[in-house]
Amino acid sequence: DAGVTQSPTHLIKTRGQQVTLRCSPKSGHDTVSWYQQALGQGPQFIFQYYEEEERQRGNFPDRFSGHQFPNYSSELNVNALLLGDSALYLCASSLNLKSVAGYTFGSGTRLTVV
Amino acid sequence: GQNIDQPTEMTATEGAIVQINCTYQTSGFNGLFWYQQHAGEAPTFLSYNVLDGLEEKGRFSSFLSRSKGYSYLLLKELQMKDSASYLCAVGPPSGGSYIPTFGRGTSLIVHP
Repeated sequence: DAGVTQSPTHLIKTRGQQVTLRCSPKSGHDTVSWYQQALGQGPQFIFQYYEEEERQRGNFPDRFSGHQFPNYSSELNVNALLLGDSALYLCASSLNLKSVAGYTFGSGTRLTVV
Repeated sequence: GQNIDQPTEMTATEGAIVQINCTYQTSGFNGLFWYQQHAGEAPTFLSYNVLDGLEEKGRFSSFLSRSKGYSYLLLKELQMKDSASYLCAVGPPSGGSYIPTFGRGTSLIVHP
């Protein structure tokens, strides 16, 4: 049973460019959340998707946007990249909005902005 | 809002016991969680406390005092593979979606 898969694993982009990160949730999970984890910091919540809609959003600018597809997979898009966007981007999936113990993280995408 | 505080780094010896503390201030509370994260890997769920007291799970135990806004993770019989970052996270107010708020993590280094 595959867990949460994210692609790509590593990415290097230039300031001002745009990037799309992808996440496939664990089988049976329908809720996807995205986090940004800077070096030496804990994960910071970006937004959560359920039933193809953004349900909750953290304190991130509109440059960060997302999408959820009918098969529950999700994308995170970041426009006009800044050096400060360099981080590990984690996707987490769960059975539903309130699931706790089943909250499963992927291994992340390491984004470097130069 | 929520504020979570935990030590940045700790070191311990293989075979020993280590306690990682976490204090929190939150406008709402519905559980405290501990995750383990090895370098370059996904955080993995360790424990969940919603009531005061000690929860034991093998070599790992977690304690919660809601009145004090305090939790700790206790690791016994330390092994080299326990070297990792340990993240304390607070759950949302009751009824809300589960979106844990994380502390910055404690990097634990286990040496021989």
